[in-house]
Amino acid sequence: KQEVTQIPAALSVPEGENLVLNCSFTDSAIYNLQWFRQDPGKGLTSLLLIQSSQREQTSGRLNASLDKSSGRSTLYIAASQPGDSATYLCAVIDAGNMLTFGGGTRLMVKP
Amino acid sequence: DTGVSQNPRHKITKRGQNVTFRCDPISEHNRLYWYRQTLGQGPEFLTYFQNEAQLEKSRLLSDRFSAERPKGSFSTLEIQRTEQGDSAMYLCASSSRGAVSTEAFFGQGTRLTVV
Repeated sequence: KQEVTQIPAALSVPEGENLVLNCSFTDSAIYNLQWFRQDPGKGLTSLLLIQSSQREQTSGRLNASLDKSSGRSTLYIAASQPGDSATYLCAVIDAGNMLTFGGGTRLMVKP
Repeated sequence: DTGVSQNPRHKITKRGQNVTFRCDPISEHNRLYWYRQTLGQGPEFLTYFQNEAQLEKSRLLSDRFSAERPKGSFSTLEIQRTEQGDSAMYLCASSSRGAVSTEAFFGQGTRLTVV
């Protein structure tokens, strides 16, 4: 059974810092990996999708990498802003298009 | 089409009552998922549909839960005889069975409170 772990569970940083969120998974036979953002009481907003044949994807200040063989993905946020404060979730997607989520990292960026 | 739509956004119900939630996926998406999320946790899979066929159900989905997608478009999730433990955010997502991208898009969720 696939298990997804996100470390750290919570993170507080001052504005302007670069930061890295980690996601690990136990079964490397994944199809894709997707990072989401969730604001309190809201649904999930897709940030980046990395296909299994790719090693990274970039969108603005976000960069996500994927190392299938080691079962790891990282989300890099450059020059963090208070508006980045949210919970960040990673989900691995198997060949049946099923998403398995980690517990999330709650990020707070202080002005 | 602006994305996945879920209704209602909030539902408060008394224990023992039945509730029904609706999800309207992105129109060209043939896969539809239901997830449940409790406070401080990641979403947990409940069930998913490909077109009108319900292909998989989680063991979390007790016999009090039923989901339908009668015409392969919108879906409903019904919870019968609600219990306080059913209080959670219920999330719906859809994706396309494309050759390349299987990006999933989520709705805003329905927050259920059982009192």
